[in-house]
Amino acid sequence: GQNIDQPTEMTATEGAIVQINCTYQTSGFNGLFWYQQHAGEAPTFLSYNVLDGLEEKGRFSSFLSRSKGYSYLLLKELQMKDSASYLCAVGGSSASKIIFGSGTRLSIRP
Amino acid sequence: SQTIHQWPATLVQPVGSPLSLECTVEGTSNPNLYWYRQAAGRGLQLLFYSVGIGQISSEVPQNLSASRPQDRQFILSSKKLLLSDSGFYLCAWSNTGQEAEKLFFGSGTQLSVL
Repeated sequence: GQNIDQPTEMTATEGAIVQINCTYQTSGFNGLFWYQQHAGEAPTFLSYNVLDGLEEKGRFSSFLSRSKGYSYLLLKELQMKDSASYLCAVGGSSASKIIFGSGTRLSIRP
Repeated sequence: SQTIHQWPATLVQPVGSPLSLECTVEGTSNPNLYWYRQAAGRGLQLLFYSVGIGQISSEVPQNLSASRPQDRQFILSSKKLLLSDSGFYLCAWSNTGQEAEKLFFGSGTQLSVL
């Protein structure tokens, strides 16, 4: 079976740091993605991890531990525009089959 | 550069009516193509994906079907819509590869079945 879990909602303060966790159980692993989605819009790509470790890209970083089936997205220096849903997705039994978690709705307060 | 077109942007259909959503990709060849559905406030549910012309993998049993008549064209259809078919439908493409490749999404179709 395939299962991707992430918290439903999170709240953070402008200027702060927030970590969004994702755990997965899939038959096979071909990479893990994080996407950002604003309400009513299509998701946009944020990061990709296929090897263990931390990938940093500006204010956003993503970490992967394949042995633990665990990833997190770290957002620094939060801005109001970061209020959005963050979707964890895994390439599972085949590289072509990409499964999404339910998403984490992040609200940023002033 | 590659672009993906999906239409229409919004659609209101009565229960029992047919459906046809079309998606085309430009600027690439032999892409993987995907149809996802998103219920309000929820994640993306994979409906269909295709790795080549005429090759369709179905993920969820339902009254929807997909076809890929041309390399860069992906069509989502239904003969008779149900109320539960309402949602935000997203087409996406990716490059083919031995590892999973990032998805590029169309702008989506908001379908309301009444």
